[in-house]
Amino acid sequence: RKEVEQDPGPFNVPEGATVAFNCTYSNSASQSFFWYRQDCRKEPKLLMSVYSSGNEDGRFTAQLNRASQYISLLIRDSKLSDSATYLCVVNMERGTSYGKLTFGQGTILTVHP
Amino acid sequence: NAGVMQNPRHLVRRRGQEARLRCSPMKGHSHVYWYRQLPEEGLKFMVYLQKENIIDESGMPKERFSAEFPKEGPSILRIQQVVRGDSAAYFCASSPPSAGDSQPQHFGDGTRLSIL
Repeated sequence: RKEVEQDPGPFNVPEGATVAFNCTYSNSASQSFFWYRQDCRKEPKLLMSVYSSGNEDGRFTAQLNRASQYISLLIRDSKLSDSATYLCVVNMERGTSYGKLTFGQGTILTVHP
Repeated sequence: NAGVMQNPRHLVRRRGQEARLRCSPMKGHSHVYWYRQLPEEGLKFMVYLQKENIIDESGMPKERFSAEFPKEGPSILRIQQVVRGDSAAYFCASSPPSAGDSQPQHFGDGTRLSIL
């Protein structure tokens, strides 16, 4: 089983659609959770941290379910510029003071006119 | 405010040569991480360094790979006697000295290494 598992997609959606991505992680002791986006042949860029209570940033909403070891990202009113690979990222190290990140393989999103 | 700077952006080496990848963290950041992204795969942690110290190198291959972060100058990831399987994108990330495990990391543009 992969440490961080995502549906690779691809997801093809029209502009304005709502799309949801799911992610599961294997280590119940994991401490920190993030969503990054990566454009083709570019570096990962932080989209948002994910908090236990859930959090929202504009059109993006992230949820965490520690009991199910499950993270989600919801994108509302999709824009063409949202087309990218979305990376679920987890810090699985317990008892460290630094961020040793484990990345999922990514979910590819294409938003079309 | 410059971000994480990596160079070169692209590096081509022949099998058996050495590759040196450089990373300058964001201003004020003293924690540096190196990750590798093989074709069609996710990023994998390689090593975590602070100034003059390797803290965690659990993701580094046992042979041919080394990393340093000297008191002055950039962090260097060095690959000796490169092989075709070393072809990948190598990303550096940094975080501030007060960062804990919940602090997001900021990534450089990466170095794309191609082995002929």
